[in-house]
Amino acid sequence: EAGVAQSPRYKIIEKRQSVAFWCNPISGHATLYWYQQILGQGPKLLIQFQNNGVVDDSQLPKDRFSAERLKGVDSTLKIQPAKLEDSAVYLCASSRRTSGREWLVDNEQFFGPGTRLTVL
Amino acid sequence: DAKTTQPPSMDCAEGRAANLPCNHSTISGNEYVYWYRQIHSQGPQYIIHGLKNNETNEMASLIITEDRKSSTLILPHATLRDTAVYYCIVRVASAGGTSYGKLTFGQGTILTVHP
Repeated sequence: EAGVAQSPRYKIIEKRQSVAFWCNPISGHATLYWYQQILGQGPKLLIQFQNNGVVDDSQLPKDRFSAERLKGVDSTLKIQPAKLEDSAVYLCASSRRTSGREWLVDNEQFFGPGTRLTVL
Repeated sequence: DAKTTQPPSMDCAEGRAANLPCNHSTISGNEYVYWYRQIHSQGPQYIIHGLKNNETNEMASLIITEDRKSSTLILPHATLRDTAVYYCIVRVASAGGTSYGKLTFGQGTILTVHP
């Protein structure tokens, strides 16, 4: 099966500009995640969608970050305006579900290659 | 979620077994131990998970101590392609509440496999 697709792979912007990232999850996966990975650190969850509803956005800086998942498939993550500290790799992941008896079996997260953002 | 402690880096010779330790002394009864790895410039990749029994799959083996306070990931015959950052994660097993089984990554162990 095709993996999680992300675009662009690289983006360079100046501070205070806006940027958007796109993610296409694995077909049939109900749950979609956006992670931020700063250099030298592990990924940090920003937001989690179940179909097109948000189930966890506790670590999303909502004053500048926004995300949506229209029709429960593709998703976009936007930063407006960007700051220097937003320089990171933004990873998208998907999994089949987060509820139900087969939760653990079907809850393996598959990650995309990420988008490397550099804010100058 | 319980926190984990891993050594920052380890080396291993190609063809030998790589044993990566993880301490999770505050793990709860409903938390599983997961391992993911991240090869340079790629997203993390699932390796294996377990609750209290030892587990084995085509990639690795997971040994969990009887008290569940620590575990070891074993790559039986390491290759150069196994060079990566390995993350040990404890994760709530149920889908209820606010955690929704999310993955909380630490800094992991950088495993370098040498020729």
